[in-house]
Amino acid sequence: NAGVTQTPKFQVLKTGQSMTLQCAQDMNHEYMSWYRQDPGMGLRLIHYSVGAGITDQGEVPNGYNVSRSTTEDFPLRLLSAAPSQTSVYFCASSPRRVNGELFFGEGSRLTVL
Amino acid sequence: AQKITQTQPGMFVQEKEAVTLDCTYDTSDPSYGLFWYKQPSSGEMIFLIYQGSYDQQNATEGRYSLNFQKARKSANLVISASQLGDSAMYFCAMRGPTGNQFYFGTGTSLTVIP
Repeated sequence: NAGVTQTPKFQVLKTGQSMTLQCAQDMNHEYMSWYRQDPGMGLRLIHYSVGAGITDQGEVPNGYNVSRSTTEDFPLRLLSAAPSQTSVYFCASSPRRVNGELFFGEGSRLTVL
Repeated sequence: AQKITQTQPGMFVQEKEAVTLDCTYDTSDPSYGLFWYKQPSSGEMIFLIYQGSYDQQNATEGRYSLNFQKARKSANLVISASQLGDSAMYFCAMRGPTGNQFYFGTGTSLTVIP
């Protein structure tokens, strides 16, 4: 029962470095998304995808890129990390319907120095 | 515009008592879904309960029930017979008719007191 797998779980970066957070799901879900969680701000949507080759911006997309080449994978790229991107990141997937619950990965804690 | 509002940053409840966590939402779509998630201190997100906008009855899942008042645009979570393991952050969320975006509230931290 893999579900949604996120890697790495922890990462420390220096300002200006780049990295990719990996996300994979094995439930054949059309919808995949990335959130960041900051204290007192809940979960904010960064980017989402409704299928392979289709991505769109959420509430806080600046500084992040995504791609969706397969149904299973939805990586999140930080091209030039900034301290403001220090956060906990969650990948989530679901069937694309109004009653489809989100299935979350375990989260990735990113610190940018 | 903020879609989900949770006005209680922190709540305390005595063990075995019931507690209500508030959630209001804002949408002009007639079709939407409302969700509650639990996040314990270990960090994972756990789905608790779902309510559809067209559902006539309030959703229930074990000790969890959703008090859905459509006209007031509220979807409060009721936890009955609180247990120490219920201590966690609780997030209310809404999904629109296209299923493209989930909106989350800022969460309520619940502490169950023995």
